[in-house]
Amino acid sequence: DIQMTQSPSSVSASVGDRVTITCRASQGITTLLAWYQQKPGKAPKLLISDASTLQSGVPSRFSGSGSGTDFTLTISNLQPEDFATYFCQQANNFPQVTFGQGTRLEIK
Amino acid sequence: QVQLVESGGGLVKPGGSLRLSCAASGFSFSDYYIGWIRQAPGKGLEWVTFVSSSSDRIHYTDSAEGRFIISRDNANNSVFLQMNSLRVEDTAVFYCVRWNYLYYAVDVWGQGTTVTVSS
Repeated sequence: DIQMTQSPSSVSASVGDRVTITCRASQGITTLLAWYQQKPGKAPKLLISDASTLQSGVPSRFSGSGSGTDFTLTISNLQPEDFATYFCQQANNFPQVTFGQGTRLEIK
Repeated sequence: QVQLVESGGGLVKPGGSLRLSCAASGFSFSDYYIGWIRQAPGKGLEWVTFVSSSSDRIHYTDSAEGRFIISRDNANNSVFLQMNSLRVEDTAVFYCVRWNYLYYAVDVWGQGTTVTVSS
């Protein structure tokens, strides 16, 4: 199985800040990486696919980059609604997709 | 609108069985892989099983192999997950999901149904 390691596991930030979350794959996955946002009690929501393609309706303050084994999710100008948990997911060996353990973004 | 709606969760004793259902609407159901992803309380996300659009390919994670059975009814836009020999560690929210090959990601999630395995 391909292991996905996210860091940090949690981060505190303020409205207006810029935050970067990283995701590392245990082997190369080209750009077959997605990012999801999950709020408490809700299902995850797809934000970014193919490492950097923003889904329709997702604010442009979200951006993704990376290829191979190292990926980042950056949120600029944090808004109150952005405080949530974020997961990365590799799709290199679908259907054996694996997720990172999650990064909890909290209000400072 | 595009949606998946799960049902069938509940409390079951270890060794028991449960059948989850997922009703799809708002898209061409028979064009997509559909699957189940679960999330144990306070934990991350784990894929459980996927079924291809025509049911000719079915995949299970190791922990589900031999105990869970996924099936779909394209005529009625539905997917089912029969779970047998349930264990305490199967306790989780189970999400019905749509796999999008264009994105190589899950682009539609149900609201989730809770399965609790406890004596």
